[in-house]
Amino acid sequence: DTGVSQDPRHKITKRGQNVTFRCDPISEHNRLYWYRQTLGQGPEFLTYFQNEAQLEKSRLLSDRFSAERPKGSFSTLEIQRTEQGDSAMYLCASGRLGEQFFGPGTRLTVL
Amino acid sequence: QKEVEQNSGPLSVPEGAIASLNCTYSDRGSQSFFWYRQYSGKSPELIMSIYSNGDKEDGRFTAQLNKASQYVSLLIRDSQPSDSATYLCAVNKEGGGADGLTFGKGTHLIIQP
Repeated sequence: DTGVSQDPRHKITKRGQNVTFRCDPISEHNRLYWYRQTLGQGPEFLTYFQNEAQLEKSRLLSDRFSAERPKGSFSTLEIQRTEQGDSAMYLCASGRLGEQFFGPGTRLTVL
Repeated sequence: QKEVEQNSGPLSVPEGAIASLNCTYSDRGSQSFFWYRQYSGKSPELIMSIYSNGDKEDGRFTAQLNKASQYVSLLIRDSQPSDSATYLCAVNKEGGGADGLTFGKGTHLIIQP
């Protein structure tokens, strides 16, 4: 399978804990995006990398959120001091030109 | 004002008929337009992209774009029960995918056998 992969697929954590998600993009794609989706809503853009450079961050990305793509390949999204409002599906997408292809997502539940 | 608007539905269409899904957007600078299909509990799957005014056909799917009216639509011909899903309209403000996509809330489509 050469699509976008994400790990873990599900994460349950207690409020106040830190969590980290990983995304492996399609190998020939230099652009990588993170989105968040809650029930009944479309995905909301969080941040975007071109190669290893983080080029855009949404105002939704509070100080508790940080994303990295250290070698321009895989990316990690960390949420510190999780809150119940962080419960959502976290989606990663990769692309080369205009089109973006999504991974299966990581479903986060904060208790 | 919401940036990308879709009727949430549900839109119910008999099997074999044409399903018509509509989307309007507010930013006149938008350059790229996409339709994604999302099954319940799954991630969005890209089914169509369109960049210029007019129609673009791919199998049973036709995307239509009218930038003057800030309107994009998706037609699904010969609807099948497997087409039952939520369809998300997404817009990119700049060409080349430099920005994140702005999504509508999606239209829930039900194909009745």
